[in-house]
This record gives sequence, structure tokens and C-alpha cells, in this order.
Amino acid sequence: GAVVSQHPSWVICKSGTSVKIECRSLDFQATTMFWYRQFPKQSLMLMATSNEGSKATYEQGVEKDKFLINHASLTLSTLTVTSAHPEDSSFYICSASDRLYEQFFGPGTRLTVL
Amino acid sequence: QKEVEQNSGPLSVPEGAIASLNCTYSDRGSQSFFWYRQYSGKSPELIMFIYSNGDKEDGRFTAQLNKASQYVSLLIRDSQPSDSATYLCAVTANAGKSTFGDGTTLTVKP
Repeated sequence: GAVVSQHPSWVICKSGTSVKIECRSLDFQATTMFWYRQFPKQSLMLMATSNEGSKATYEQGVEKDKFLINHASLTLSTLTVTSAHPEDSSFYICSASDRLYEQFFGPGTRLTVL
Repeated sequence: QKEVEQNSGPLSVPEGAIASLNCTYSDRGSQSFFWYRQYSGKSPELIMFIYSNGDKEDGRFTAQLNKASQYVSLLIRDSQPSDSATYLCAVTANAGKSTFGDGTTLTVKP
């Protein structure tokens, strides 16, 4: 399967700071990238859908000004959590999709906000 | 009613048995169906996908799709302790966005 990397794999930050998470598709050009959040023992929650060169589409209830998504190229998407608070602590996972709609997931980023 | 429903489990089977995981979906326009496996603390990994009615086999895994009944299942033959994980069913319509079920937790006991 295709390889998707995510960086960093974990981050601890102080409340009020911003954190940027990178998602890269290493061996294919992703038409679409997705950002998910997962709390312990809960299912994946889709936050937004990102297409290269266009604005991200956010799911209902997800604040677009707090979770900034930039999809600069067919292989790179970034998620910036602005002014992070403890309730933003979660496991953030990106995925990249090819034209067959298969999603290849990155390894995830565990964010802890103190 | 959720768009994609799975039995939450936990499902427990002895080593060597067949594990059967089920998923139903509500959108009749759904075209692509996926099964992902997620180990605790890790991100999901794709196990199988199926697009057409019927069975699709890959090693110990068999996916079954019945669009008329809006039902997709995953069978794991000769279950191993390493198969213990949460299995996520995902359904995709034309827009390309997948809807995930809440997952079924499988435990294979040695």
C-alpha cells in the first residue's frame, strides 16, 4: 500500500500556543487528504476534507479558524491547531486518498496540551 | 440512525476460529466499501476493499457485499491473537468522503 507520513508523531505544548502537523504522501499524488481526530476509545471523527489548491471543507461543528488546513501540493497537507487548549488534546490522524477512494492513513500525531 | 452501523462488541473468538464482523449502511448510493484494522494507540490500516456484490477473498480475509441488503461483512478465518484489534467499516459515495462506523473490537484468545 501507499505510504503516508505524519510529523511530529507526538507533541506536548502549553495552553495558548499553536501546533502545526504535517501530512505527506510519500509515493503517490493524493487527490484528497483528510484530517481526523480520535479521542480514547472512540471512533474516528472526520474534521475536514482537503483538496490541493482549494479551501478545505470542514465538518459541522469543527471551527475552521481554530483548525487551519493548508494543502500546498498533491503530497503535502498541514493542520495547525491555533491557541490550543487542554480539550484539544487528542490523536490527530491524516489520510491521503487516491482516485479509487482508498484511504491510506498516516501514523497519527498525539497532541497533549498542558 | 447512524449512516454506518457496526456491532460494538467486544467480539471474542478462540484461536483458529472464524471471526465474523458485520456492517450495515444507510446510503444506497454508496459505491466503495472498506475494512480497516486499528490496533490500540495506532492509526487504521486498510485490510480490504470491495466494490461489487459477492465475495472477495484475500488470504485469511473474505469481504462480502450485498448492496440490496446494504450489508457488508468481513470474515477472518483461522483467527490469530495478532488479529485482536478494532475493525472499522468505511463506506464511500461519489463525493469520495468515507463514512466510518464506530468499529468492532475483536479479541482472539489463545
